[in-house]
Parts: sequence; structure tokens; C-alpha cells
Amino acid sequence: ETGVTQTPRHLVMGMTNKKSLKCEQHLGHNAMYWYKQSAKKPLELMFVYNFKEQTENNSVPSRFSPECPNSSHLFLHLHTLQPEDSALYLCASSQADRRGHEKLFFGSGTQLSVL
Amino acid sequence: SQKIEQNSEALNIQEGKTATLTCNYTNYSPAYLQWYRQDPGRGPVFLLLIRENEKEKRKERLKVTFDTTLKQSLFHITASQPADSATYLCAPEDGANNLFFGTGTRLTVIP
Repeated sequence: ETGVTQTPRHLVMGMTNKKSLKCEQHLGHNAMYWYKQSAKKPLELMFVYNFKEQTENNSVPSRFSPECPNSSHLFLHLHTLQPEDSALYLCASSQADRRGHEKLFFGSGTQLSVL
Repeated sequence: SQKIEQNSEALNIQEGKTATLTCNYTNYSPAYLQWYRQDPGRGPVFLLLIRENEKEKRKERLKVTFDTTLKQSLFHITASQPADSATYLCAPEDGANNLFFGTGTRLTVIP
């Protein structure tokens, strides 16, 4: 166990559905992330939260909406997705200090299929 | 933007040999670089971090080098074992203290 828990592990949704991915970290970290991993592609950073404030939004379509209610929880709200959004969505956390973000702790991911 | 090349998509080696994986990056010079291991259906797991002022880092059978002139990091696994079979990801810092991941090298250690 990495201390980062993601639910659900698998999700199948239609293009008109609304769903949410949940992430919880039990490590006391101050930063949380959403990454997307598609087949044959590198991990793509989607969103970063430092101390609950969003600091990065890498040109992610508005059909993905993050929420960070506290430093331990992170959500990714999904609506009107496209089939090309099918991928493994990974949550991670880290403890940031003056030298930057140290190692990331990843959850096991949510395998999303959009039909 | 940063571009990362990991030497090959897949690498097969015999058990007991040393595996060497290559990570080349272009453009921005990272303040640090990390290596991760990822098993199928799981999230990546951190292995080692090396900073720009460090030439080499070791952890048990793992060794990482960082050559800022060549813009390259090498990742070595000595005395490789079948349990080392996994995908290994290189991740340099992107200038904003976030990590920029490569596509990875899938290592298979043959018994």
C-alpha cells in the first residue's frame, strides 16, 4: 500500500454520464496531483494542488473538473466525456519543500472506459 | 517543451546480468530527475532521485547517473532478477517543480 487510495478501480461510462473519481491520501502530504496515462503515451500531468490551491492546469478540457476540499482528498469530476478520454487516471501526492516536490506516491489508478 | 527519450520501448536481459536503461532529455535542464517502476495495472513507485549537482546515486542493486552535459541519465540494475521485470519511467523536473514523465522502458529479465 502506498498510502494513496483511489476509487473506483474501474469505471465504464457513456458519453452523457456524469461521474467522479475519488482520491484520498493518508500520508500528511501538502500536494496532490491528477495524471492521465494512455496506452503507449507518457503520463500527462493534468492538475496540481498545493495546500488545497490549484497551481497547475495543463490545458485540460473543461469536461474534467478537479476539486480539492482539503489536503487529504482530491476529486476529478467527469461529464460529457469522449471515447479518447479512456485511460488510466492516476492520483498522486507529495510533500513539497523549498527544493521542490520530492517523490510522488501514486494510487493504483482508475481505469476509465468511455463508450 | 521538454522532450524525453527512453532508449527503447522494451529490453530483454538474462537473469544475473546488469540492465542499463537510458533517459535523454532536450531543452530545459532539470534541477533533479527521478526514476519510477510501474507494474501492470498499478501506479508508478518511486525508486531514486538524483539532483543536478550529483553524479551518481545508489540504492541496493540500483544505480543512477546524471550527466547534465550530455543531458542524460542512466539507470542500472545489477544482478538482475525476474522480479525486476517491469516498466521503468524516467521523470525529470520540468522547471516548475513538477515531473515530466517519459514513456518508459519495459524490462524483462529472463530466468
